[in-house]
Amino acid sequence: AQKVTQAQTEISVVEKEDVTLDCVYETRDTTYYLFWYKQPPSGELVFLIRRNSFDEQNEISGRYSWNFQKSTSSFNFTITASQVVDSAVYFCALRGGAGNMLTFGGGTRLMVKP
Amino acid sequence: EAGVAQSPRYKIIEKRQSVAFWCNPISGHATLYWYQQILGQGPKLLIQFQNNGVVDDSQLPKDRFSAERLKGVDSTLKIQPAKLEDSAVYLCASSLEQAKSEKLFFGSGTQLSVL
Repeated sequence: AQKVTQAQTEISVVEKEDVTLDCVYETRDTTYYLFWYKQPPSGELVFLIRRNSFDEQNEISGRYSWNFQKSTSSFNFTITASQVVDSAVYFCALRGGAGNMLTFGGGTRLMVKP
Repeated sequence: EAGVAQSPRYKIIEKRQSVAFWCNPISGHATLYWYQQILGQGPKLLIQFQNNGVVDDSQLPKDRFSAERLKGVDSTLKIQPAKLEDSAVYLCASSLEQAKSEKLFFGSGTQLSVL
C-alpha cells in the first residue's frame, strides 16, 4: 500500500514571505513518481511538477522549487516571495503500485495575505 | 486543446435519490479516472478505466456506485441510492496512458450535496 502525508493542514503567510509545504510518502515500489498539484478556489486540480524516484536533483521553476530526498521519503515544495495568487490548496501525490494508481495526500491550504 | 469536461457542475438531491455524473476526457486519452473529494480531504480514487476496461475499482462502494465507459471515450458515474456521506466533489481525470510517469488532467468536478 502507498501513502502520502501532508502534516500541515493550513499555513498562513504574509505576501513576500517564503513558505515550504511538506510532503512525506510511503511506498514499497522502487520505481515511482511524485507529483504536486494546485487546487485554486475554482476547484480544478492544476499540475505543477512531476519527479521520478531515480532523479533526486532539486528543481526550480521561477518562484517555485522542489526538494526531493529519497533517504527521508520527502518531496517538499517551497514558494519564494509568496503572492496572494498563490493562495490555494496544494496536494502532493504518489503514482505507483498495482495499476499505477495516483494517491493524494490530504492537502495543505495556503493563505497568502496582502 | 479542450480539457476534461464534466457535467453537471452542481447537484443537490435528497438521500435515497439517484444521481449521475458525466465526463468527457481529453481526446485521445486512454485512461480515465473518477475521484471523490470530501471537503477538507485529498481526492480518493474510486475507479480507473483503461479504454473501456476497469483497471481498479477496489475503493468503489459497489452496492451503490457504478461507472461505465462503454465506448472507451466518455464515462458516467452513478450513485443509487445516495447517502448523506456521499456529499463531495466528484472529479474526473484523464491521462494519455496509465504509465507511472503520466500526469493526470482534471476536470472542474461536480459538487454533490445530499440532503
